[in-house]
Amino acid sequence: NAGVTQTPKFRVLKTGQSMTLLCAQDMNHEYMYWYRQDPGMGLRLIHYSVGEGTTAKGEVPDGYNVSRLKKQNFLLGLESAAPSQTSVYFCASSVGQYTYNEQFFGPGTRLTVL
Amino acid sequence: GESVGLHLPTLSVQEGDNSIINCAYSNSASDYFIWYKQESGKGPQFIIDIRSNMDKRQGQRVTVLLNKTVKHLSLQIAATQPGDSAVYFCAENKESNDYKLSFGAGTTVTVRA
Repeated sequence: NAGVTQTPKFRVLKTGQSMTLLCAQDMNHEYMYWYRQDPGMGLRLIHYSVGEGTTAKGEVPDGYNVSRLKKQNFLLGLESAAPSQTSVYFCASSVGQYTYNEQFFGPGTRLTVL
Repeated sequence: GESVGLHLPTLSVQEGDNSIINCAYSNSASDYFIWYKQESGKGPQFIIDIRSNMDKRQGQRVTVLLNKTVKHLSLQIAATQPGDSAVYFCAENKESNDYKLSFGAGTTVTVRA
């Protein structure tokens, strides 16, 4: 099993550009999450999904959109990138109810917005 | 407000010694407290969790202690090894918040040879 994979690993955008980050998991997990991590800080939840076709807002959802059309994929979109969105983005998944504490994380995507 | 935080941002430990990483929380309504480890350039990795009605839980070389009286959580690592060098995060969640994890800022542990 590859676990949780993220595409791309690195990306540089100009202000106002758009992009989509792809997260894929092959563990048949129900729950998926998108976090951002800024220097010296813990992870902050952007959006999450408790199943195919469902999404919900996390702690810092503004400026981001997500979609979960397939159970194994969770996409994070930036419609108009801003320098404040420069961060490392992590995707995670968990089996589902009663196992939400153990989230499996991908390797991260380092995004720089100029 | 509701938050989870760590006492010290850095900890230096001699190889073979025991490590103690501390965390203070303010939300007494949390259902679980969790520890994650993040190695350089990688995503966080689950270590251990403890339910709010427990005081202690042990895993392989790790022990988590929960003191609800002073709202304090600690992670003890026995016989610290070079591979334990990482950033450690405490997190909490509660059923009424869909069990979403709320992370603290992290403690960087450096193991000295």
